[in-house]
Amino acid sequence: EVQLVESGGGLVQPGGSLRLSCAASGFTFSSYEMNWVRQAPGKGLEWVSYISSSGSTIYYADSVKGRFTISRDNANNSLYLQMRSLRAEDTAVYYCARQNYYYDILTGNYYYYMDVWGKGTTVSVSS
Amino acid sequence: SSELTQDPPVSVALGQTVRITCQGDSLRSYYANWYQQKPGQAPLLVIYGKNNRPSGIPDRFSGSSSGNTASLTITGAQAEDEADYYCDSRDSSGNHVVFGGGTKLTVL
Repeated sequence: EVQLVESGGGLVQPGGSLRLSCAASGFTFSSYEMNWVRQAPGKGLEWVSYISSSGSTIYYADSVKGRFTISRDNANNSLYLQMRSLRAEDTAVYYCARQNYYYDILTGNYYYYMDVWGKGTTVSVSS
Repeated sequence: SSELTQDPPVSVALGQTVRITCQGDSLRSYYANWYQQKPGQAPLLVIYGKNNRPSGIPDRFSGSSSGNTASLTITGAQAEDEADYYCDSRDSSGNHVVFGGGTKLTVL
């Protein structure tokens, strides 16, 4: 069974740090690009970060750039999100999501989508 | 602009057809994907690309696109389709993912 399981969430004070993990199973983790997506309480989905299959290409949302670091360990089928200088507005459920793609022969372009999601881990930033 | 705008809450009678839209300039270059999210659950991909359904998604779900607008259509809505629906696409750089604000669907 293809599965992603997040862990590492918890309550942290403003300015603190936290490291989230995402354990992948049931597929060849090293072949897939990955994302972190978060959802604040009662709010919509917000993309946080992307990492390529090798880890050589990384992108961040402006809201977390300079504070969060995404990484992966393909040998251990794991994805990570190191979060520093946490703020109240970082309070959210954090999901890891597998990125897949297909090639559209009509347009000649690749299109990307998130086809597998974990159940999420909750991060609360509060004093 | 890299924003995606979705409809306000929508309701549909059981068995009827409902269309949910997503608007944004980036949709002129990229297809939208659609995700269903029920309370307390993770998002579930229901439509990707031009109009593709992942395995296990009922064929009552379909997608379409025209200009800067992408649409998710549910033909013959069922009670279990009641959920929040989110579109996503890419920003102008193509490197960042952008989500719409979500549309809450109620099945009456």
